Amino acid sequence: AQTVTQSQPEMSVQEAETVTLSCTYDTSESDYYLFWYKQPPSRQMILVIRQEAYKQQNATENRFSVNFQKAAKSFSLKISDSQLGDAAMYFCAYLSGGSNYQLIWGAGTKLIIKP
Amino acid sequence: DTEVTQTPKHLVMGMTNKKSLKCEQHMGHRAMYWYKQKAKKPPELMFVYSYEKLSINESVPSRFSPECPNSSLLNLHLHALQPEDSALYLCASSQDRVDEQYFGPGTRLTVT
Repeated sequence: AQTVTQSQPEMSVQEAETVTLSCTYDTSESDYYLFWYKQPPSRQMILVIRQEAYKQQNATENRFSVNFQKAAKSFSLKISDSQLGDAAMYFCAYLSGGSNYQLIWGAGTKLIIKP
Repeated sequence: DTEVTQTPKHLVMGMTNKKSLKCEQHMGHRAMYWYKQKAKKPPELMFVYSYEKLSINESVPSRFSPECPNSSLLNLHLHALQPEDSALYLCASSQDRVDEQYFGPGTRLTVT
């Protein structure tokens, strides 16, 4: 069975600095998708970024980028120029390519932005 | 438009009440989901509807009853809930199996 591990329950970063959130996963599949979701205190879960396993190029979305290391089964999220609005729970999630729709979630990392 | 709407935002119900949660999306997505989320935890999948048919039921107690009246609407009927059912209930939708899921803002449910 696939598992997703986020080893940092909480991280803090100074506003305007860069922070990296870690995520590792375990799978024997070759076809899968990885996601980072953000859930601010107002609670709506928002998709941050998506990565297809077959793509070697790391996904980027404005200030958000991933470091996808397929052999190491690592999928970290880098947030550049951190802003107060980035404060949230960040969840890493795995989706099998042979999916029955089920996301496998990490436990989440709470990101605190210091002004 | 990547919006999933949910009503109500908050719901307080007694253990003998019957209530319903509603979810709507107009993105043409073919899969819709119900999740339960406890504080500071990831969402737990409850049900998946694919092409308006129940595809997954994650061994959810029968006091939760999903319904998909059409491709845009998803309901969750609640009856005889327990205090431990108090949680945030999230609805999501996706284009298909391997597409990203878009979440609604959730319904905060309190069972007294």
